[in-house]
Amino acid sequence: DTEVTQTPKHLVMGMTNKKSLKCEQHMGHRAMYWYKQKAKKPPELMFVYSYEKLSINESVPSRFSPECPNSSLLNLHLHALQPEDSALYLCASSQRRVLTTSGGALNTGELFFGEGSRLTVL
Amino acid sequence: DAKTTQPTSMDCAEGRAANLPCNHSTISGNEYVYWYRQIHSQGPQYIIHGLKNNETNEMASLIITEDRKSSTLILPHATLRDTAVYYCIVRFNFGNEKLTFGTGTRLTIIP
Repeated sequence: DTEVTQTPKHLVMGMTNKKSLKCEQHMGHRAMYWYKQKAKKPPELMFVYSYEKLSINESVPSRFSPECPNSSLLNLHLHALQPEDSALYLCASSQRRVLTTSGGALNTGELFFGEGSRLTVL
Repeated sequence: DAKTTQPTSMDCAEGRAANLPCNHSTISGNEYVYWYRQIHSQGPQYIIHGLKNNETNEMASLIITEDRKSSTLILPHATLRDTAVYYCIVRFNFGNEKLTFGTGTRLTIIP
């Protein structure tokens, strides 16, 4: 199974709603990512989880709240969003090799992406 | 991570080899060159990566110049399904979880 599954594929929400995006992988990957992509722009990194701990937050507004309940699941909780938050939200995962003797971790490099959740905020 | 420069768009005839260039003149010795592509309305897809030597897999070949300041992704026999945005990314692998996308090259395969 080399898939990253994202649900829902499409989501329309009002500015006062609370909703969540879900991402799942069963490849045993220990790094999971959220990216945001606006039309005709490259994906922009939002968050990275490594071994179920938040390791990177790219100064994302608090109305986006990530959660990694276990090594296979990644959620993105959405609350009080703005119309400009409408975008394609991509989840990805990658393998992290075991820690080296010096304490570092090595990426294998390849990220597997899901098909994305297209969010429209009204 | 080093910055990359790619042409905004390219066309290639179906069945011909598509050669996509990438400049990364500030690359450091332990940074890898990665290529991903994104077909319309899909998530990005990993293609290939390399450090110094040329690499080949079932999808493509990666040619890295000896000084490592540029590289070329080669799709040997382009098909219409290869129409996509191709991203060249330079990345330091050790302890670095980020993968940062540049603007990429929009490749259109012409029938």
